[in-house]
Amino acid sequence: GQQVMQIPQYQHVQEGEDFTTYCNSSTTLSNIQWYKQRPGGHPVFLIQLVKSGEVKKQKRLTFQFGEAKKNSSLHITATQTTDVGTYFCAGSSNTGKLIFGQGTTLQVKP
Amino acid sequence: NAGVTQTPKFQVLKTGQSMTLQCAQDMNHNSMYWYRQDPGMGLRLIYYSASEGTTDKGEVPNGYNVSRLNKREFSLRLESAAPSQTSVYFCASRLQGNTIYFGEGSWLTVV
Repeated sequence: GQQVMQIPQYQHVQEGEDFTTYCNSSTTLSNIQWYKQRPGGHPVFLIQLVKSGEVKKQKRLTFQFGEAKKNSSLHITATQTTDVGTYFCAGSSNTGKLIFGQGTTLQVKP
Repeated sequence: NAGVTQTPKFQVLKTGQSMTLQCAQDMNHNSMYWYRQDPGMGLRLIYYSASEGTTDKGEVPNGYNVSRLNKREFSLRLESAAPSQTSVYFCASRLQGNTIYFGEGSWLTVV
């Protein structure tokens, strides 16, 4: 079945350093979404990518969707303590099923 | 708007007991989902309902049943709870292809 793998599982960075998490799907996706979950909270939508090779930016966050629509990445420039949390990618197939990666937990040391 | 509402927020069950987690959304979304979240495992899809009247198995359906009662409501039932079902459960909904909205989670402990 469809699988979505996300690496790394954990990342500790010094405040001001950059951070990247990678997402790979076993199948071609119709779109990919990214979510952030703060400790004790629920996942909150960040962005959706639909087109092959698409790149979107939200302030210090840059999201990419691979040409083959099977991989994606989230890059945070100059991390801040407010970036702490777990970042999930979620791949959507044309059946409506939405499969999440295992998540990358980011810790930022001030 | 309430968004996605799930109950109860916390529950402790004894092994073998049954219970139903309730979920309702007021956004007129077609699709609804149940996920469980365990440390290091991310969010795993238990069941989903692409539209009213349909349900499909996700990645980890064993030990669970679901009912899409109407467009608003999607319940998850544990017929005979096991300690392995101790987890945080999230209900979610979305319009086809769009953002998924999560409830606040239900913390379930099976002893």
